[in-house]
Amino acid sequence: DTAVSQTPKYLVTQMGNDKSIKCEQNLGHDTMYWYKQDSKKFLKIMFSYNNKELIINETVPNRFSPKSPDKAHLNLHINSLELGDSAVYFCASSPDGEFNYGYTFGSGTRLTVV
Amino acid sequence: GQQVMQIPQYQHVQEGEDFTTYCNSSTTLSNIQWYKQRPGGHPVFLIQLVKSGEVKKQKRLTFQFGEAKKNSSLHITATQTTDVGTYFCADLNDYKLSFGAGTTVTVRA
Repeated sequence: DTAVSQTPKYLVTQMGNDKSIKCEQNLGHDTMYWYKQDSKKFLKIMFSYNNKELIINETVPNRFSPKSPDKAHLNLHINSLELGDSAVYFCASSPDGEFNYGYTFGSGTRLTVV
Repeated sequence: GQQVMQIPQYQHVQEGEDFTTYCNSSTTLSNIQWYKQRPGGHPVFLIQLVKSGEVKKQKRLTFQFGEAKKNSSLHITATQTTDVGTYFCADLNDYKLSFGAGTTVTVRA
């Protein structure tokens, strides 16, 4: 029944490793997003996909690569993890042209790089 | 994109009291959305404001959009312990939602 689900919920990994976070939404929304929340709770958009097409690509190191196999899924792959990548990563979705219901966020993935 | 500034960063409130958090921008905002994030949780959509001077209420929460669409506020009356969390305003512009830094609210029982 979860509207936007992310896996894993927690991820602890060593510097230099490569890891992926998966996101799925069952709301029928057309647009999906990745946000990064740092230790000061600041939420910053990273990427957005609309119907599998990349529409927002903020200034993010190219070690981060999003992939959207279909409009219900948006995954985030991170290469060569660094200490500064430690944060909570939120996936979100929204319907096209209808913002009265806001964005629906997943429960987040807490990434800790050691 | 536009940057929205939120004040205060922290708000410590006695249970039963009222408080207000403010969101300001140097440029005109398109749409303002408000979200609440409980400790350890994820942002949850509260409301969207679109029109100049718009006021919307949700029980003890009152949201306002300034006449010039450069500021917004969230006023909570009779604060309860369930109001604990971080409240974010966010500017929706060109399909991109840009968040303010948030106001983190703690409540003294």
